[in-house]
Amino acid sequence: NAGVTQTPKFQVLKTGQSMTLQCAQDMNHNSMYWYRQDPGMGLRLIYYSASEGTTDKGEVPNGYNVSRLNKREFSLRLESAAPSQTSVYFCASSRLPGLAGGLSSTDTQYFGPGTRLTVL
Amino acid sequence: KQEVTQIPAALSVPEGENLVLNCSFTDSAIYNLQWFRQDPGKGLTSLLLIQSSQREQTSGRLNASLDKSSGRSTLYIAASQPGDSATYLCAVKLTGTASKLTFGTGTRLQVTL
Repeated sequence: NAGVTQTPKFQVLKTGQSMTLQCAQDMNHNSMYWYRQDPGMGLRLIYYSASEGTTDKGEVPNGYNVSRLNKREFSLRLESAAPSQTSVYFCASSRLPGLAGGLSSTDTQYFGPGTRLTVL
Repeated sequence: KQEVTQIPAALSVPEGENLVLNCSFTDSAIYNLQWFRQDPGKGLTSLLLIQSSQREQTSGRLNASLDKSSGRSTLYIAASQPGDSATYLCAVKLTGTASKLTFGTGTRLQVTL
């Protein structure tokens, strides 16, 4: 199993350009997430998809859109990139969303290797 | 709003030493708490997950404890090794927030020979 894969690994954009970050998981997980990691701020949730066909905003959704293409794939789109979106982006997945009484193993999030994005 | 703090931000210890990393959170209504490891330029790897009803979890040389009432968790690493050098992050999930995690900013650990 490859786990969680992300493409591209690195990307440089000019202000105003658009791009889509791709994420796929082969663990048959139901839930998928997009985070950004900035120095001194920790990881912050951008969007998540608790199950196929649903998406919800996280803590910092402005400037981003997402698509849960199918159970395996969850993409993040920047329509008009801004320098403030320079960051490292991580995709993650988990077997099930947080269910009361659920097994702890189903709640663990597995992360991809990240995409380092620079917006000039 | 839940805030998660990790102190110290960086720590350097000699090989073989036992050490404790700290994590504190402001809202005690948590569903669970996770400890992750992040190597430079890499993604996060889950180390331990503690449900709100549990007091601790152990995996090998790692032991994580949880005290909900005081809003604290510790990660104890026994007999540290150079391979333990990494950034350690804790993250909490509040009850009723589906799968949303709130992360601390991490402790960067260096274990020296």
